[in-house]
Amino acid sequence: DTGVSQDPRHKITKRGQNVTFRCDPISEHNRLYWYRQTLGQGPEFLTYFQNEAQLEKSRLLSDRFSAERPKGSFSTLEIQRTEQGDSAMYLCASSLLGGGNMSYTFGSGTRLTVV
Amino acid sequence: EDKVVQSPLSLVVHEGDTVTLNCSYEVTNFRSLLWYKQEKKAPTFLFMLTSSGIEKKSGRLSSILDKKELFSILNITATQTGDSAVYLCAAVAGGSQGNLIFGKGTKLSVKP
Repeated sequence: DTGVSQDPRHKITKRGQNVTFRCDPISEHNRLYWYRQTLGQGPEFLTYFQNEAQLEKSRLLSDRFSAERPKGSFSTLEIQRTEQGDSAMYLCASSLLGGGNMSYTFGSGTRLTVV
Repeated sequence: EDKVVQSPLSLVVHEGDTVTLNCSYEVTNFRSLLWYKQEKKAPTFLFMLTSSGIEKKSGRLSSILDKKELFSILNITATQTGDSAVYLCAAVAGGSQGNLIFGKGTKLSVKP
């Protein structure tokens, strides 16, 4: 296991289309986070899973966004009816409960461009 | 509302210079502060600071936390072009499940 993997690395989509991103965390990590990062900003928290349970959602996560982690391993983030304002880097991170913040590891992100 | 503010937002220096990056925070039930380096992709972990006044060092990088004044600094000595990156500061609040509150970052450019 070489770290947190995200797929795809880049996605260009037309406004109104649906997109889905995937995150594969470090295998022994039971916590998984999604963040969004726009140009010139730090990452902003979207949602968090502990195992398969989605325990927290930011107000940034509108009803067009949905995230799942069906078996407590990989996670998907879907955006429906994309808008230009959704263009951003979507970062996934995982950590180990009890491992503290030092175990927090980010993936390389999926860069979404909505045209 | 919890917030983290970094300054400066951007900085241009020459190789060999020493830089100090600032991070102030207002976070409910503050637990810890982290520094990350981001070079166009994944933020990579630098330091975690929990206690006031204890300097963390890694090579030419060092960082310290002041919980009374609610800030942290990241120092880089003898800068190299490879230090060019965005440096992110993030805080963890008590009661959260580990999600990080990030500042906007400081973009450091080191010229040869």
